[in-house]
Amino acid sequence: DAGVIQSPRHEVTEMGQEVTLRCKPISGHNSLFWYRQTMMRGLELLIYFNNNVPIDDSGMPEDRFSAKMPNASFSTLKIQPSEPRDSAVYFCASRVLGTGDNEQFFGPGTRLTVL
Amino acid sequence: KQEVTQIPAALSVPEGENLVLNCSFTDSAIYNLQWFRQDPGKGLTSLLLIQSSQREQTSGRLNASLDKSSGRSTLYIAASQPGDSATYLCAANAGGTSYGKLTFGQGTILTVHP
Repeated sequence: DAGVIQSPRHEVTEMGQEVTLRCKPISGHNSLFWYRQTMMRGLELLIYFNNNVPIDDSGMPEDRFSAKMPNASFSTLKIQPSEPRDSAVYFCASRVLGTGDNEQFFGPGTRLTVL
Repeated sequence: KQEVTQIPAALSVPEGENLVLNCSFTDSAIYNLQWFRQDPGKGLTSLLLIQSSQREQTSGRLNASLDKSSGRSTLYIAASQPGDSATYLCAANAGGTSYGKLTFGQGTILTVHP
């Protein structure tokens, strides 16, 4: 299994530009999470989906952030317009909903730099 | 709101030492607790997961314990090696209506020197 796949691995953009981060969960996993990691705030959950449906988006910082999961094998996190304070590493994780252990598996992350 | 704290923030030890990393959480109503390792510039690798009904889990030189009533977990690393150098994160998995949400600690940066 290839694990959770994220793209791009690095993104450098200018303030005001739209940024789209992509995630492919592990095949067969039906729950997907987006996290953000910064030095100041550590790892924070932004939003998660069960069976492609958003369950909790209370961690999404502002309306500039949006996430979609059009099918079981693909999700996007979009920032429009981007700001320098959005610079962080964004992780996607997936799991099998309903199993006993609820273990989450993480992707390698996308390092976003907004100038 | 769940809060997770890890102590110490950083630890430097010589190779071969046994060491303990601490994790505490404020809300004991957790579903499970997961320990991760993160290497610089990399993603998270799951090390151990302890269910709320369990007291400990072991994998090789790693042993994690859980005391829900006191809101504590420890990760014990035996006979540390330079390759163990990384950041170690614990995460509490909420239960109930927040099932699946992980709240992370800030991590312990471990350096094992030869």
